[in-house]
Amino acid sequence: DSGVTQTPKHLITATGQRVTLRCSPRSGDLSVYWYQQSLDQGLQFLIHYYNGEERAKGNILERFSAQQFPDLHSELNLSSLELGDSALYFCASSVMGETTEAFFGQGTRLTVV
Amino acid sequence: GEDVEQSLFLSVREGDSSVINCTYTDSSSTYLYWYKQEPGAGLQLLTYIFSNMDMKQDQRLTVLLNKKDKHLSLRIADTQTGDSAIYFCAESAQRGSYIPTFGRGTSLIVHP
Repeated sequence: DSGVTQTPKHLITATGQRVTLRCSPRSGDLSVYWYQQSLDQGLQFLIHYYNGEERAKGNILERFSAQQFPDLHSELNLSSLELGDSALYFCASSVMGETTEAFFGQGTRLTVV
Repeated sequence: GEDVEQSLFLSVREGDSSVINCTYTDSSSTYLYWYKQEPGAGLQLLTYIFSNMDMKQDQRLTVLLNKKDKHLSLRIADTQTGDSAIYFCAESAQRGSYIPTFGRGTSLIVHP
């Protein structure tokens, strides 16, 4: 158990809908990273938050947004969902901004039908 | 081409050594990583090497870095069935933030 909790574990929704994925980092970790893992794109970095502030953006679509709350948990919001958004979404956390010590959650599997 | 490339599959016999190879393109890469993903689980950082190192050993794992050829390898000695997983190579550099760029992963299959 990495200590990073992601909910829900599985999510099935229809095209055009909006969903929210939640991540609780390890206790004391200030950084949260979001990744998307799909068969055709592999593992893609989406966004990094540190202590509530956005620090880095990767291949994140405009339909997607994220935030990190004062209690350090993070949410990834996916809207106007398309079939191609079906993927495994991972959250990782680390104490500071050091990805060398990032721990991954078990992921949320999103299926868009 | 991809920034980080690795072969998709490797099959070995239990007890043999496994060598998983990776090539990357960015000469400014500072950290090179190996992650392991077991079925239904998230990624687990196995080890990482700083770019000024040639080799790092940690129990059954040996990481070799050839910076000139931008080639990274992970050797697992005495491979066990529990080592069956997907292994991801990743690199990061100071491009505003040290965020790893991952390869597509190598599925290691260990058979008796």
